[in-house]
Amino acid sequence: ILNVEQSPQSLHVQEGDSTNFTCSFPSSNFYALHWYRWETAKSPEALFVMTLNGDEKKKGRISATLNTKEGYSYLYIKGSQPEDSATYLCASTTTSGTYKYIFGTGTRLKVLA
Amino acid sequence: DGGITQSPKYLFRKEGQNVTLSCEQNLNHDAMYWYRQDPGQGLRLIYYSHIVNDFQKGDIAEGYSVSREKKESFPLTVTSAQKNPTAFYLCASTNRGLVTEAFFGQGTRLTVV
Repeated sequence: ILNVEQSPQSLHVQEGDSTNFTCSFPSSNFYALHWYRWETAKSPEALFVMTLNGDEKKKGRISATLNTKEGYSYLYIKGSQPEDSATYLCASTTTSGTYKYIFGTGTRLKVLA
Repeated sequence: DGGITQSPKYLFRKEGQNVTLSCEQNLNHDAMYWYRQDPGQGLRLIYYSHIVNDFQKGDIAEGYSVSREKKESFPLTVTSAQKNPTAFYLCASTNRGLVTEAFFGQGTRLTVV
């Protein structure tokens, strides 16, 4: 994998359903994986940053896991609520030369009441 | 309150004109970034700067120019050489370090007619 890829591109779920989506990233020179939540008309806000293989982070109903060997991270939302509707972005940072954030295309989540 | 400010929020320009987008931060961050988003695509890196008076091209720098004369400011000029300038432009800043959180402005939507 040369770029950061996210799937699915968009997702509709019913209120109360649990859901998850994927971020795939280059595993070579990997340093950190970031998740951001981007609500319409607002700026993206940081959710998690993870660096170690097997890392698991949790914030309320949202959690994330990291597999650096195979180059993927999952974001889970338990019991989705309409206020969870947003675009979820992941970004990787690498150690190759000067560092930079590389973002995925995002997963647009819509939670239906 | 510390933050990162982009202006203007909406910008209209005639084809062939250069236009400069403003990005200012008062977070004392060393690094600043410009991204572009097109419909259905993720954030693509245009330029980034890790220190004053130094900046690097990102993945899609052609047709753009930047300057970093002050730590707080990282203006982006969209030149007439940029073939498809109509897009949403997002500025971000971070402290140095690969695990540091990125802070974003609210974006500028540029429409060239």
